[in-house]
Amino acid sequence: IAGITQAPTSQILAAGRRMTLRCTQDMRHNAMYWYRQDLGLGLRLIHYSNTAGTTGKGEVPDGYSVSRANTDDFPLTLASAVPSQTSVYFCASSQGVADTQYFGPGTRLTVL
Amino acid sequence: KNQVEQSPQSLIILEGKNCTLQCNYTVSPFSNLRWYKQDTGRGPVSLTIMTFSENTKSNGRYTATLDADTKQSSLHITASQLSDSASYICVVREGSNYKLTFGKGTLLTVNP
Repeated sequence: IAGITQAPTSQILAAGRRMTLRCTQDMRHNAMYWYRQDLGLGLRLIHYSNTAGTTGKGEVPDGYSVSRANTDDFPLTLASAVPSQTSVYFCASSQGVADTQYFGPGTRLTVL
Repeated sequence: KNQVEQSPQSLIILEGKNCTLQCNYTVSPFSNLRWYKQDTGRGPVSLTIMTFSENTKSNGRYTATLDADTKQSSLHITASQLSDSASYICVVREGSNYKLTFGKGTLLTVNP
């Protein structure tokens, strides 16, 4: 069982470029989440999805968009990357919104 | 504003020694509290979960306590091992929904 996979593992991106971070889970979890983790700060929620076809904004959604076309995939898109989006991005999933969240390995993104 | 404060920020101990990490929270309404372990370069992994009525919960060498009256939790690690070197994150769930408040973590280093 792979759990949650994220791609790419790391990426260096020029400011202004478009970037999609991929997240796939094989646990048939209903809910999925995107977080960013910055040095000296706790994990912060960017967007979430309670179930396929629905999405919601988290604490820091500006500059990011998500889609949930099916249960397994939850891509995060940066339409026009800025240096402040340099961070480590974690995807997570849970069976229900109040259940344990399982995290992926993360994507380290650097925007220059 | 909901907050989770952890102390110490970092800790260095010798292999075989015990240690205790602290977490204070102001999240309301309180649902549950989790301790996550995050190895360097990896996603967080849940160690324990505690609800309002639970005072102590163990997971191998990890023992978590919760005082819901004072809104404090601790994570005690017994007979530390080199593999315990990681960041330990206290996470509190608000109500019965997806909202989690993450602490900044305590970075534990276990030296031989």
